[in-house]
Amino acid sequence: QVQLQESGPGLVQPSQTLSLTCTVSGASIGDVGYYWSWIRKPAGSGLEWIGRIYTSGSTNYNPSLESRVTILQDKSKNQFSLKLSSVTAADTAVYYCAREHWGVDYWGQGTLVTVSS
Amino acid sequence: EIVLTQSPDFQSVTPKEKVTITCRASQNIGTTLHWYQQKPDQPPKLLIKYASQSFSGVPSRFSGSGSGTDFTLTINSLEAEDAATYFCHQSGTLPLTFGGGTKVEIK
Repeated sequence: QVQLQESGPGLVQPSQTLSLTCTVSGASIGDVGYYWSWIRKPAGSGLEWIGRIYTSGSTNYNPSLESRVTILQDKSKNQFSLKLSSVTAADTAVYYCAREHWGVDYWGQGTLVTVSS
Repeated sequence: EIVLTQSPDFQSVTPKEKVTITCRASQNIGTTLHWYQQKPDQPPKLLIKYASQSFSGVPSRFSGSGSGTDFTLTINSLEAEDAATYFCHQSGTLPLTFGGGTKVEIK
């Protein structure tokens, strides 16, 4: 069974960088045919796709966030990560890591990140 | 980007009733449309992939149809455990986008 688990600080100060890691079990992020993604849901709003990374290391980002987002992978640890710089209160959300294959077929439980001083 | 518009936003339904949720895409997306169920404090669960294909383990009362710009999720004979928010998602064009969601309440 594929499982994903987000980890990282739950509180980030404004203007700082949000950093999250996703640990994958039951599958390898090196497997061909899958994208490994970050998606977020602000309170009271819908889901927003942040971006994804493929096993080759190539990435796609949402243009609305592209200038502030970096997604990296560490195949030795079977992890991928998200960095979002210059955060504001608008970045407060539940952040999910997920696997894309046919749609998003597996999701992490999600982690709440609050941007506040 | 492709905008997905769901309707209705909210639906209150009695058990065993049939539920129909629609999702309209702002551009033709073929069948690259997927449906999810999300309950409070849980991650979304994939129900239907590529407009009409049931994902593994999903009860047969859930079905999907449509192509191009108009899509439908149908729940036949609603059960109490189906109380949740349902939303659509397109994976055909970057950036990937999601519908706003339809909350289904059990009367």
